Amino acid sequence: DAKTTQPTSMDCAEGRAANLPCNHSTISGNEYVYWYRQIHSQGPQYIIHGLKNNETNEMASLIITEDRKSSTLILPHATLRDTAVYYCIVRVEGSNYKLTFGKGTLLTVNP
Amino acid sequence: GAVVSQHPSRVICKSGTSVKIECRSLDFQATTMFWYRQFPKKSLMLMATSNEGSKATYEQGVEKDKFLINHASLTLSTLTVTSAHPEDSSFYICSAQTGGREKLFFGSGTQLSVL
Repeated sequence: DAKTTQPTSMDCAEGRAANLPCNHSTISGNEYVYWYRQIHSQGPQYIIHGLKNNETNEMASLIITEDRKSSTLILPHATLRDTAVYYCIVRVEGSNYKLTFGKGTLLTVNP
Repeated sequence: GAVVSQHPSRVICKSGTSVKIECRSLDFQATTMFWYRQFPKKSLMLMATSNEGSKATYEQGVEKDKFLINHASLTLSTLTVTSAHPEDSSFYICSAQTGGREKLFFGSGTQLSVL
């Protein structure tokens, strides 16, 4: 799996949008971008994934650049419960390929 | 999303004993499950890939005789930490892959403390 680079930490005000960047400059054509988050002492939670088109679900939006070398996860209205470590992972969909976790971004939502 | 149940959530045991952790996919069949461990303030590290009906595939550096994995059915995988020692104390997390293999869902984790 291609490596990803994320900032170590970010802060966001409650109610504002949180924009979490991820660089994946060596991504292959068949690799998807996945986002998971982990709240302290819990298992990771799936958020969203995409290949090249922007994606949106009830949790977040995923914006992937045209060259697919980077992406941004957007939490439109961050709440205190969104404080977590967010992991950006690239993986081939439809395979048994494992998810390899990097260090992720610790997002702290402040009141 | 799909539900993965992991049990127990917390276990404390004496050094030298064995501990079994169960991972169940509640509303889907999982031909592949993954086991991770996580030390405090660190990221998840993959230990092994568990395929239903076959032997698990262990990552480099993980002792297969110490961490026994059984995946006897499409909804259950177990991890047994044999002859546990204090250095095995960690947060263990399982994940299960949906049938379409597009997503992995994770259990809530097991905090193992070996005294």
